[in-house]
Amino acid sequence: AQKITQTQPGMFVQEKEAVTLDCTYDTSDPSYGLFWYKQPSSGEMIFLIYQGSYDQQNATEGRYSLNFQKARKSANLVISASQLGDSAMYFCAMTASGNTPLVFGKGTRLSVIA
Amino acid sequence: KAGVTQTPRYLIKTRGQQVTLSCSPISGHRSVSWYQQTPGQGLQFLFEYFSETQRNKGNFPGRFSGRQFSNSRSEMNVSTLELGDSALYLCASSFIVASTDTQYFGPGTRLTVL
Repeated sequence: AQKITQTQPGMFVQEKEAVTLDCTYDTSDPSYGLFWYKQPSSGEMIFLIYQGSYDQQNATEGRYSLNFQKARKSANLVISASQLGDSAMYFCAMTASGNTPLVFGKGTRLSVIA
Repeated sequence: KAGVTQTPRYLIKTRGQQVTLSCSPISGHRSVSWYQQTPGQGLQFLFEYFSETQRNKGNFPGRFSGRQFSNSRSEMNVSTLELGDSALYLCASSFIVASTDTQYFGPGTRLTVL
């Protein structure tokens, strides 16, 4: 079974600053995928970034990057140059080989301050 | 390319009633997954359909059921509604369900049971 742990219930960041959201995972499957989603107050889950367990390089998507440390089983999301529109809930999730469903962490609420 | 659509967006029902929620996946996606999100339990997997077959099911009572049509559209049904069924129901689509495949979510249906 897979497990995701997000230890930061809430975080504040100043506009234009960078912020790191923590995520640790647990699985015995050597093949897995790690995802980050953003959920604004409207409720829609927006896909941000993906990292595969066999990827050698950290994933990047615009202002989002994933700091993947396989030995430590961590997959932290880094948002550079925070914007007011980044204020939302952020969920780390994973899936393993086969048709296993996404397993989510409890999320981190990010608040960007002007 | 149109995203995942869910109808209705909001629903208010009373205990004992039944409800049907609909999800249209991204064109070309054959897998549809359903998740329930509540403040207490977080995001929980309900079931996943691929080519009209339920391939995976979460730990929910039999009151929760679903189906998928030949055009990949999916419906979920909840019978004999309980107060605890009040939640945001999210549908996600992907080409398949694998560790390398990203699931894209719809805007959700917010169900309130009175």
